[in-house]
Amino acid sequence: EAQVTQNPRYLITVTGKKLTVTCSQNMNHEYMSWYRQDPGLGLRQIYYSMNVEVTDKGDVPEGYKVSRKEKRNFPLILESPSPNQTSLYFCASSPPDQPQHFGDGTRLSIL
Amino acid sequence: GEDVEQSLFLSVREGDSSVINCTYTDSSSTYLYWYKQEPGAGLQLLTYIFSNMDMKQDQRLTVLLNKKDKHLSLRIADTQTGDSAIYFCAEGRGSTLGRLYFGRGTQLTVWP
Repeated sequence: EAQVTQNPRYLITVTGKKLTVTCSQNMNHEYMSWYRQDPGLGLRQIYYSMNVEVTDKGDVPEGYKVSRKEKRNFPLILESPSPNQTSLYFCASSPPDQPQHFGDGTRLSIL
Repeated sequence: GEDVEQSLFLSVREGDSSVINCTYTDSSSTYLYWYKQEPGAGLQLLTYIFSNMDMKQDQRLTVLLNKKDKHLSLRIADTQTGDSAIYFCAEGRGSTLGRLYFGRGTQLTVWP
């Protein structure tokens, strides 16, 4: 089954404790993205990647890192999480210029 | 997302048509998308339209694109209670491939 898989789905952690949210897709898509969704703000793009070893900042990259060492994986890294990064995070993938397929989301709470 | 505007709420009666509107600002947009998000769920692609098209119909869904006014609409015919969800408009811009710009979402509530 074609899908975008995020892990974990839910995480409660504390300020400053490094965490990684993994994203994996099995559709051989070139493009992958990370978004955060906050009430009343819609989805905002954090980082995106157009292919292996090619990443670029979105609208809200501060406090996040990404890497794209393999085509299927695009982890989101929070080196020193802070409470303002409490949010619902979505990973997405697509072929070039095609609709993005979204994962089921990861709800992060930073205390 | 601030360049993509949508009204925040829409309420309709079951069986009526719903029309959700969206405006965008970038004339180089290539694709325009509608996504649906049900409570506690991810985003589901509903439909999309290429910027050289005026209309696209898919069963109960009709998308209209007015490129001159940069206006996109989604019409849902015979709206059902199961259509209650948040609907997001998003644009893909030719100048920044791989990026999507989302509106804030329209909460559609369908009353029985």
